Amino acid sequence: SAVISQKPSRDICQRGTSLTIQCQVDSQVTMMFWYRQQPGQSLTLIATANQGSEATYESGFVIDKFPISRPNLTFSTLTVSNMSPEDSSIYLCSVRTGGRGYTFGSGTRLTVV
Amino acid sequence: SQQGEEDPQALSIQEGENATMNCSYKTSINNLQWYRQNSGRGLVHLILIRSNEREKHSGRLRVTLDTSKKSSSLLITASRAADTASYFCATDGGSGGSNYKLTFGKGTLLTVNP
Repeated sequence: SAVISQKPSRDICQRGTSLTIQCQVDSQVTMMFWYRQQPGQSLTLIATANQGSEATYESGFVIDKFPISRPNLTFSTLTVSNMSPEDSSIYLCSVRTGGRGYTFGSGTRLTVV
Repeated sequence: SQQGEEDPQALSIQEGENATMNCSYKTSINNLQWYRQNSGRGLVHLILIRSNEREKHSGRLRVTLDTSKKSSSLLITASRAADTASYFCATDGGSGGSNYKLTFGKGTLLTVNP
């Protein structure tokens, strides 16, 4: 199965600033997925990123707040823009691993102060 | 929005006991998957059961699926302290292309006491 390197693993940021999270996959994948996990909650899909096209955002998430890049089939970034304390969450990227489920990055724990 | 519910929300057992977690979902699915998350880190895929399967085993894990009731259960036998984690079910309604995506339940926090 694929191996994902996600960074940073954690960060503490000032409100009003932006943070870019990176995910590098060790194999080429068509789709990459970005999730948010708010404290004590489950995972919510933010968007699906396809190489060569704009990301598809889920209801409640917009490109201006969570811009995504997908420059090639092994890499993607998610930016959390103009952050507020409500953005404090764990952010995870994921790829589909054939018929064997999905592989997740180790997560980025973001705290906004 | 969340696909379904897991129960219990929290479960505390002694080492060696069995742990059973349940999951319900709302829409039709292609498959259902269970994941483990340790201490708010990345998720680890445990087992996948397809919509045409009723039961599946993997080591100490047993998963059942009842599509008529839109429910699934995860049984961990002979639990160990290292099994302490949050467990999530997730449904994959994928029918190809852009429809591949997981929808997660709320999770069960399992604590196995030594």
